[in-house]
Amino acid sequence: KQEVTQIPAALSVPEGENLVLNCSFTDSAIYNLQWFRQDPGKGLTSLLLIQSSQREQTSGRLNASLDKSSGRSTLYIAASQPGDSATYLCAPWDYKLSFGAGTTVTVRA
Amino acid sequence: GAGVSQSPSNKVTEKGKDVELRCDPISGHTALYWYRQSLGQGLEFLIYFQGNSAPDKSGLPSDRFSAERTGGSVSTLTIQRTQQEDSAVYLCASSLETGTDYEQYFGPGTRLTVT
Repeated sequence: KQEVTQIPAALSVPEGENLVLNCSFTDSAIYNLQWFRQDPGKGLTSLLLIQSSQREQTSGRLNASLDKSSGRSTLYIAASQPGDSATYLCAPWDYKLSFGAGTTVTVRA
Repeated sequence: GAGVSQSPSNKVTEKGKDVELRCDPISGHTALYWYRQSLGQGLEFLIYFQGNSAPDKSGLPSDRFSAERTGGSVSTLTIQRTQQEDSAVYLCASSLETGTDYEQYFGPGTRLTVT
């Protein structure tokens, strides 16, 4: 069974700082990995999907890296804004998504 | 275009009653997933439909849970004889799953409360 761990569990930073969110997973036989954000009481919004053959994927201020062999992915958010406050979830896919508990981010104005 | 929609958004039911939750995926998406998010268990996979293939039911927690997908589009998740531990947010997601396009798009969820 795929186990996903996200560190840290929570993060509070002043506006403008860069964010680094870490994700590790136990089974490296994955096809892709998706990063989501979840706002309180809402569903999941897809941020990035990184294929197992890729090392990096970028979208605007977001950059995700993937080291499949070591079972790690990192999400970088540049120049954080208060609107980035949310819970971030990583989810490797092997015919289903497996989720970690998430990292709850607070960006202080 | 329209995203994934789910209904109802909230459902309160008495223990022992049956409930049906509905999911309308993005048009043209062949894959449809159900997940459950609860305080104690986090987000967990329930069931996966892909085209005309037999569904992957490996995540269903008990035989009280069942799901069907009609005409390759709308899906219904049914929970029979609901228990308090079934209280959770039930999320549906759909995906195109062709070529390299495997991104999953989630609906807003149905919050189920069993009293």
